[in-house]
Amino acid sequence: DTEVTQTPKHLVMGMTNKKSLKCEQHMGHRAMYWYKQKAKKPPELMFVYSYEKLSINESVPSRFSPECPNSSLLNLHLHALQPEDSALYLCASSQGQGKVTDTQYFGPGTRLTVL
Amino acid sequence: DQQVKQNSPSLSVQEGRISILNCDYTNSMFDYFLWYKKYPAEGPTFLISISSIKDKNEDGRFTVFLNKSAKHLSLHIVPSQPGDSAVYFCAASALAGNQFYFGTGTSLTVIP
Repeated sequence: DTEVTQTPKHLVMGMTNKKSLKCEQHMGHRAMYWYKQKAKKPPELMFVYSYEKLSINESVPSRFSPECPNSSLLNLHLHALQPEDSALYLCASSQGQGKVTDTQYFGPGTRLTVL
Repeated sequence: DQQVKQNSPSLSVQEGRISILNCDYTNSMFDYFLWYKKYPAEGPTFLISISSIKDKNEDGRFTVFLNKSAKHLSLHIVPSQPGDSAVYFCAASALAGNQFYFGTGTSLTVIP
C-alpha cells in the first residue's frame, strides 16, 4: 500500500463548528506532515510529526490542533476557524525522521470551506 | 515573502520536444532541492531531487540542474509526453533550521 488517504475530501464548516481532518498511511512511515495550500499559492508547511511527536510547528494559530494517535494516523482538529482558513489541506508522510530533506508522499487533500 | 519562485506560471510544449521548467531561490542556506508534480484533485508526487553538492541529477526523462551561484535550478523533461501535463512545483529545504518551501508552481501543457 503506497497511498496516503485523507478524509473527508470536502468539508464546509461554520466559524463556530469543531471538525477534524484525518490522514492515514500504511507504508510504515514514521514522519507525517500537514500543509495548507491557498488558491494559486504553493503548499505551506504547518506541522511535522516524527515518531508520533510534534517536531515542527510553523507558528500555526491555536485554532488548528494536530494530533498523532499512532504512527499511521494524523488528525488536524479545527475550532473557531475564520473564512480566510478556507484552503486545501494536504497531508504527507515520509520514511525518515521528519527531516525536511526526506521525500514526502502526499495525500489528495481535503478542500475546506469556512463560512 | 516568497523564498522560492517559479516565474513562469504556465508553459506549453509540443509532444516530443524538451520542457524546461525554472526555479529561483533567495536563501543561500537551502541545501536540498526537489521537484514535485501535481495533477488536479491529487496531492503532489515526488519526481526528482538534488543535493547542493551536485550540479546535475538525472532519472530517465527527467534531469535537474542546479546553479548555486545563481541560486537557480531547472527541470528538463525530454522527450515531453502528454501525460506530463501537470503543475510542477520545485521545493527547497535547509536542514539547519528545518526549513522547507515550495515554489509557486508552473502549469505544463504538452500538446499532442
